[in-house]
Amino acid sequence: SAVISQKPSRDICQRGTSLTIQCQVDSQVTMMFWYRQQPGQSLTLIATANQGSEATYESGFVIDKFPISRPNLTFSTLTVSNMSPEDSSIYLCSVEDWQTGDYEQYFGPGTRLTVT
Amino acid sequence: GIQVEQSPPDLILQEGANSTLRCNFSDSVNNLQWFHQNPWGQLINLFYIPSGTKQNGRLSATTVATERYSLLYISSSQTTDSGVYFCAVENSGGSNYKLTFGKGTLLTVNP
Repeated sequence: SAVISQKPSRDICQRGTSLTIQCQVDSQVTMMFWYRQQPGQSLTLIATANQGSEATYESGFVIDKFPISRPNLTFSTLTVSNMSPEDSSIYLCSVEDWQTGDYEQYFGPGTRLTVT
Repeated sequence: GIQVEQSPPDLILQEGANSTLRCNFSDSVNNLQWFHQNPWGQLINLFYIPSGTKQNGRLSATTVATERYSLLYISSSQTTDSGVYFCAVENSGGSNYKLTFGKGTLLTVNP
């Protein structure tokens, strides 16, 4: 399975600022996704990161708040913009590699964000 | 969208006990995965099991797709099994391969 790393692993930020989270995979993968896990909650998909084109956002998430880039098949970034305390969550990237013949998703270690 | 319900929401066991976690889903799926989230937040893949039965050590899982449920069995539980267990599915009628997660089962294994 793919090895996924995220940077930073955690951060404490002030409201009104922005944070960019990086997701790096050790091999080329077909699909990359960004999820959010609010405290004590389950995971919710923010968007699908599309290589070379605009991300596909889920209902309730917008590009101005969560801009996403995917310049190649191994790397993606998620920016959390104009942060408020409600953005305090764990942000996780995941990948799905169809070359393996199945649709199993693997997750990175997550970025734990606290907004004060 | 597809609904995913997990039961029980909380489970407390003594070390060595066995347990069964259940996941019900409301529509046909082409992907079903079980994850364990450890206390540090890491999601660990346990099973990719859209149908059938798989076993890995003390863990096994069964998915009956026609009846829209999956079961995760943990035998001879250990304290390191503690954490949250998530079931997640991908709706076969969906178009973006997203996983929809249940709310999880919080398992506590006491020594």
